[in-house]
Order: sequence, then C-alpha cells, then structure tokens
Amino acid sequence: DTAVSQTPKYLVTQMGNDKSIKCEQNLGHDTMYWYKQDSKKFLKIMFSYNNKELIINETVPNRFSPKSPDKAHLNLHINSLELGDSAVYFCASSRRDEQFFGPGTRLTVL
Amino acid sequence: AQSVTQPDIHITVSEGASLELRCNYSYGATPYLFWYVQSPGQGLQLLLKYFSGDTLVQGIKGFEAEFKRSQSSFNLRKPSVHWSDAAEFICHNDMRFGAGTRLTVKP
Repeated sequence: DTAVSQTPKYLVTQMGNDKSIKCEQNLGHDTMYWYKQDSKKFLKIMFSYNNKELIINETVPNRFSPKSPDKAHLNLHINSLELGDSAVYFCASSRRDEQFFGPGTRLTVL
Repeated sequence: AQSVTQPDIHITVSEGASLELRCNYSYGATPYLFWYVQSPGQGLQLLLKYFSGDTLVQGIKGFEAEFKRSQSSFNLRKPSVHWSDAAEFICHNDMRFGAGTRLTVKP
C-alpha cells in the first residue's frame, strides 16, 4: 500500500548512457514532481506535472524529460548522462501544497 | 526570489535536551510551511505543516513549530530529544527547500 513508489532504488551507469526512473502514486493526487537532491542535501525541484500538463520547469538541461502516461505516473528520462547528474532523485505527489515523497533513487554516473 | 534558509548545517544535542532548529523564509504572502525529516536511506517524512490559523503547530514524534511572521521564521522544536531523532531535517516553503540541518544526538 505504498503511496509513492520509485524504481529503481539504485542506478549505476556510465557516462553517455540514457536511463529512466519510474514513479507511481496511488493517492489520487493531481500533481506530481521530480526533485534532485545533490550531495549537499539541497532539494531542487526539476519538474511538476498537473493533470498531465507541465507547469514548472526549473530550467534543467533538456537532457532531462518527464513523461506522464497517466495521472498516477511521472517518469523521468535522462539522455546522455553526465557525471554531474549523480544525485538522489525524489518523486513526489501533492494535494494542495502537502507533498508525499517517494523513497528516492540514487543515481551514480561513472 | 523566494528562499528558505536553515542557518545551522549541523547540530549536536544530548539525549533528553531540548532542541530548536531554525528556518527562515522569504515570501510576501502567508506561506505554506513544512518540516520534513529524512532518515538515512529513507525518503522524506512530513513532520508538520502550517497553512494558516494557530501559529503553533503540533506534529508527529513530539515535534512542534511556531510560525512568526514578524521574524519570517518557522523554527522546529522538541522539548526532549531521543536518540532515534537523529536525522536530517528539511524546512520547506512552497516550492523551495532549505539546505537541511543534520541532527546528532549524544548519549
């Protein structure tokens, strides 16, 4: 009965590869987010989707693209991975401004 | 621009001592404010939130926070810290997050 789930939990890959992280929520929320948490623990919002429409894009590189096949899913695709992409990525969904976070995906780019 | 500041990167307290973690925000209108806790290897868990009304809010695990508009602060407090409270605490305002405060609890 997990509220917000992400897969995989860990992802190790080589520079230049393309990878995806999946996110699913069973809360019936209309808005989902992707955050990047870097080594300093600072969470920065990357994308927000409301009813399948992109409403926030914090000027992340266009190598990152969110894909929402339906209201319950918001996947993150990353092309041409770079070393600086190594971080923990959190998915979240929200009702009003209370956010429910997934467990995070630790991405390591070698 | 909106911002959230947590001035203390790391705080160490003794078990049983009181705790206050600082959070300052910059926002024109009444903000939505949250405190989250992140334990090692786990996702973020909401401790408490403030939308409006009573400025002293109670959260889970014995935590409370007070919204002070005049000081643009939303500090997190706990009267008596337990060893299991050791974690990273993150203040959140709207779409901005603080850098986090790491709490270490000494026996």
